[in-house]
Amino acid sequence: DADVTQTPRNRITKTGKRIMLECSQTKGHDRMYWYRQDPGLGLRLIYYSFDVKDINKGEISDGYSVSRQAQAKFSLSLESAIPNQTALYFCATSDPRDGGGGTDTQYFGPGTRLTVL
Amino acid sequence: GQSLEQPSEVTAVEGAIVQINCTYQTSGFYGLSWYQQHDGGAPTFLSYNGLDGLEETGRFSSFLSRSDSYGYLLLQELQMKDSASYFCALPTGGFKTIFGAGTRLFVKA
Repeated sequence: DADVTQTPRNRITKTGKRIMLECSQTKGHDRMYWYRQDPGLGLRLIYYSFDVKDINKGEISDGYSVSRQAQAKFSLSLESAIPNQTALYFCATSDPRDGGGGTDTQYFGPGTRLTVL
Repeated sequence: GQSLEQPSEVTAVEGAIVQINCTYQTSGFYGLSWYQQHDGGAPTFLSYNGLDGLEETGRFSSFLSRSDSYGYLLLQELQMKDSASYFCALPTGGFKTIFGAGTRLFVKA
């Protein structure tokens, strides 16, 4: 079974609709992240959470919100989707103890391809 | 802030050696990581350099020079399955990781 899962894997929606992307993990990691990937722009951080009560904005949080329902679950919402939010979205986890604490290795889910028409 | 620069594309021949360079700017350095991503797949961690020098993992090696703010990923005995995107990344002291835009590697037969 995959350690980090994302649902849905693909979603097509219309401008103005509310969309929720869900992420679950069985790795037991406290730290979870949402990234957006666009061609030529790499992975950009939207939000991150270090535990259930901790939520932090990343570099591109405008237009997005998140909810950390449990240690294992971290959801990303687009309150009113717009076409320039069309992208590949990845959830990731990390364990600060990995590699002696320096690597911050990110473990990614399979991604959600979102298209906003 | 932090930023990374890497070439957008590199092409090499099967069986050859290829080097993907990465230069970075950061106010606090906590190491340089590399990730691989195949088309349609998720990024996966390849290697990490916390100190200067070469780290080797099978056919892949990663090098770091902190004085030059520079690192590279070296792939030897290239195989077709190595065709993928490769990202250098800066961990930021356990808070988050900043990724480069990625280098697309094309391996030709």
